[in-house]
Amino acid sequence: GNSVTQMEGPVTLSEEAFLTINCTYTATGYPSLFWYVQYPGEGLQLLLKATKADDKGSNKGFEATYRKETTSFHLEKGSVQVSDSAVYFCALIITSGTYKYIFGTGTRLKVLA
Amino acid sequence: GAGVSQSPRYKVAKRGQDVALRCDPISGHVSLFWYQQALGQGPEFLTYFQNEAQLDKSGLPSDRFFAERPEGSVSTLKIQRTQQEDSAVYLCASSLRRTASYEQYFGPGTRLTVT
Repeated sequence: GNSVTQMEGPVTLSEEAFLTINCTYTATGYPSLFWYVQYPGEGLQLLLKATKADDKGSNKGFEATYRKETTSFHLEKGSVQVSDSAVYFCALIITSGTYKYIFGTGTRLKVLA
Repeated sequence: GAGVSQSPRYKVAKRGQDVALRCDPISGHVSLFWYQQALGQGPEFLTYFQNEAQLDKSGLPSDRFFAERPEGSVSTLKIQRTQQEDSAVYLCASSLRRTASYEQYFGPGTRLTVT
């Protein structure tokens, strides 16, 4: 079946540290992949996406590359800020026979000043 | 409106009560989705509408859950005879059209607590 596996949190980093949040997926075919972010008290927001193999999504200093060989879509940022503290969700989209996201369980990031 | 809105934001129900949760999608968005998010988990798909047609309801956990979108805009998720395991945040999302690259825009959610 289709599924998304994320590294468990929480992840605690100091400001300006390098961030990696691992995400791997299992799916039929090659679905589009997404990272969503949920800031405290707010709704889910799209952070970045990639629609085919080797695509790199990027936004707000975050990047993720769609790796077909390793079925991965790891999220990275070179220098995190306190304002990046949030919960990050990796997701894939199913469009065959339906239209829905499959989400990972989320990874909480806490950045300390 | 500017975004997806949901009401109420918080709902406390006694076990056995019926509840109705409302979603107002972004104007012009043809696709509408409901997800359930348990504490500490990712959202899980409940159901999907394309305009007024409910095309997938495979995620609804039981026949106590019912969703409708009669005019292809506002949607209501109804839970009958609520149980404690129904406690969760219920998220609504909308999308402009049904393609793989189009993002879904999420509302703030309704937090349902069943006591």
